[in-house]
Amino acid sequence: AQKVTQAQTEISVVEKEDVTLDCVYETRDTTYYLFWYKQPPSGELVFLIRRNSFDEQNEISGRYSWNFQKSTSSFNFTITASQVVDSAVYFCALSEARRSQGNLIFGKGTKLSVKP
Amino acid sequence: GAVVSQHPSWVICKSGTSVKIECRSLDFQATTMFWYRQFPKQSLMLMATSNEGSKATYEQGVEKDKFLINHASLTLSTLTVTSAHPEDSSFYICSEGANTNEQFFGPGTRLTVL
Repeated sequence: AQKVTQAQTEISVVEKEDVTLDCVYETRDTTYYLFWYKQPPSGELVFLIRRNSFDEQNEISGRYSWNFQKSTSSFNFTITASQVVDSAVYFCALSEARRSQGNLIFGKGTKLSVKP
Repeated sequence: GAVVSQHPSWVICKSGTSVKIECRSLDFQATTMFWYRQFPKQSLMLMATSNEGSKATYEQGVEKDKFLINHASLTLSTLTVTSAHPEDSSFYICSEGANTNEQFFGPGTRLTVL
């Protein structure tokens, strides 16, 4: 069965601290996709990254970086030098290629609060 | 990427009334759209997959007679919450499945049933 676990329900940091949001997934597929979305208070989902199962290269985009480790079925997200504007709920999601419709399975989300 | 709009962005209605939510794909012809529901402080749960020109596929536990989905054109899918009750109050988000494993989400519709 497919499943996404975000064990951290809430995290609070002070501005400029680094923070890592954990994501562990379960799937029987060999081909799958992992996503991270940001949901600010307005509610709209903001796409951050998509990674396919064959690409384990870590990615960096500005202050954001992602660590994909198939050996531990994890896809962790790190924000460096956090800012107040990073405060939001972050969702990790999984999509399996065999599910031709491509719907996403979301984790429960991690609420990040960055205090000035 | 694709642009998806939803209307209305928020709606308040009385218990027992029906509410229609529109999801439009503005720059792509979407044969497949997805409807998710998000209760306060919870995750997004897939409700149904909307297929253009055919019946929607509902997830287990979602009442198809209560949540009517119509996908009559390649750019529009509608979700109608029939005989809404306070427990239907939620944030409803649609997404457009442009291709496998790439989805673009609408801004969501916040429904409050009094």
